[in-house]
Amino acid sequence: GENVEQHPSTLSVQEGDSAVIKCTYSDSASNYFPWYKQELGKRPQLIIDIRSNVGEKKDQRIAVTLNKTAKHFSLHITETQPEDSAVYFCAANVEGGKLIFGQGTELSVKP
Amino acid sequence: DAGVIQSPRHEVTEMGQEVTLRCKPISGHDYLFWYRQTMMRGLELLIYFNNNVPIDDSGMPEDRFSAKMPNASFSTLKIQPSEPRDSAVYFCASSFSDGEQFFGPGTRLTVL
Repeated sequence: GENVEQHPSTLSVQEGDSAVIKCTYSDSASNYFPWYKQELGKRPQLIIDIRSNVGEKKDQRIAVTLNKTAKHFSLHITETQPEDSAVYFCAANVEGGKLIFGQGTELSVKP
Repeated sequence: DAGVIQSPRHEVTEMGQEVTLRCKPISGHDYLFWYRQTMMRGLELLIYFNNNVPIDDSGMPEDRFSAKMPNASFSTLKIQPSEPRDSAVYFCASSFSDGEQFFGPGTRLTVL
């Protein structure tokens, strides 16, 4: 069935280091891949997304890469800051308009 | 626009009681989603609507759960009777076509 696998489940980095979160998806028809950030006690909020017609997208310190052949995509955060600490979710769209979410990665940035 | 609005923000009830969660999507959005979030199961899609019509309710855990969308600006998720294992944060989200999903602030439900 439709599935999105996300790794790692937890990630701890020092402030200023880079963080990478990886996801794989199963539906070859998926063409929209958003990333959401959820701070403690808050709602998930979109931070970046990518569509299948591009391989990479950047927005300041965050970037997403997509490999459609291998069916995986990754989130890269450079120069991490304590305020980047949160749970990050990847997702992929499937037929019908819904998103399948990964299990989440808890990122901790230590000052 | 005020974004997706959910009420109540917190609900504490006793086992066996009926619970009704409410959602107002962003005006103009044609998709509405109900999610449940717990530590154990993460973010689960319960049901979603397109143009007020339920499309996929395969995520609804049991017959105790039901959802309606009587018009484009209002949806409810009802649990009857509620059980302690229903305790979770319930999010409503809306989107236009297959674009970004905007989440509401969530309803934290505690069933004693």
